[in-house]
Amino acid sequence: GAVVSQHPSRVICKSGTSVKIECRSLDFQATTMFWYRQFPKQSLMLMATSNEGSKATYEQGVEKDKFLINHASLTLSTLTVTSAHPEDSSFYICSAREGGTGLEKLFFGSGTQLSVL
Amino acid sequence: DAKTTQPTSMDCAEGRAANLPCNHSTISGNEYVYWYRQIHSQGPQYIIHGLKNNETNEMASLIITEDRKSSTLILPHATLRDTAVYYCIVRPAGGTSYGKLTFGQGTILTVHP
Repeated sequence: GAVVSQHPSRVICKSGTSVKIECRSLDFQATTMFWYRQFPKQSLMLMATSNEGSKATYEQGVEKDKFLINHASLTLSTLTVTSAHPEDSSFYICSAREGGTGLEKLFFGSGTQLSVL
Repeated sequence: DAKTTQPTSMDCAEGRAANLPCNHSTISGNEYVYWYRQIHSQGPQYIIHGLKNNETNEMASLIITEDRKSSTLILPHATLRDTAVYYCIVRPAGGTSYGKLTFGQGTILTVHP
């Protein structure tokens, strides 16, 4: 199946710093990518939808100035957590959709565990 | 999107079939049933999806009732590596929710020796 690569898998940072997470589709062109967040023992929550070449669409309650999303190419989307604080510590997961009918499978990255000290 | 209801947890003996139920009584005619699973600290993995016919692939079988209000994911011969959280998701083929997945709490399947 299609592969989505997410990097880094784990990052520890100091409060106030910014962290960038990359999501790459390795063998297909992803017209749309999605970013999720998952807190311990909870389900995945969609944060934003990223379309190549346009601004991301954020879910209600997600601060767009704090979680900057860039989808500059058909194979790469980045999520930057700006001025990270301990409450931003979470498991961040991206998924990618290959352009099509909407019935396709969504492929997920392996996730990034962010720990803010 | 239609809401799904799944049992919180299930156990299964290794080598036996694991049958995971899902209720989606408010499913609409254009909504598909998708199953994903998430092994601890990893991203979700696609398993199978269907509309109204039963489906089978190399991982699992999906049985959808005739009224489409419920479905069952079947892992025919569960192994210890199948221990994971299984998510049943109902998703439209198009429209404003195009491509989005709304995850519920899922079922924690534990396969034991």
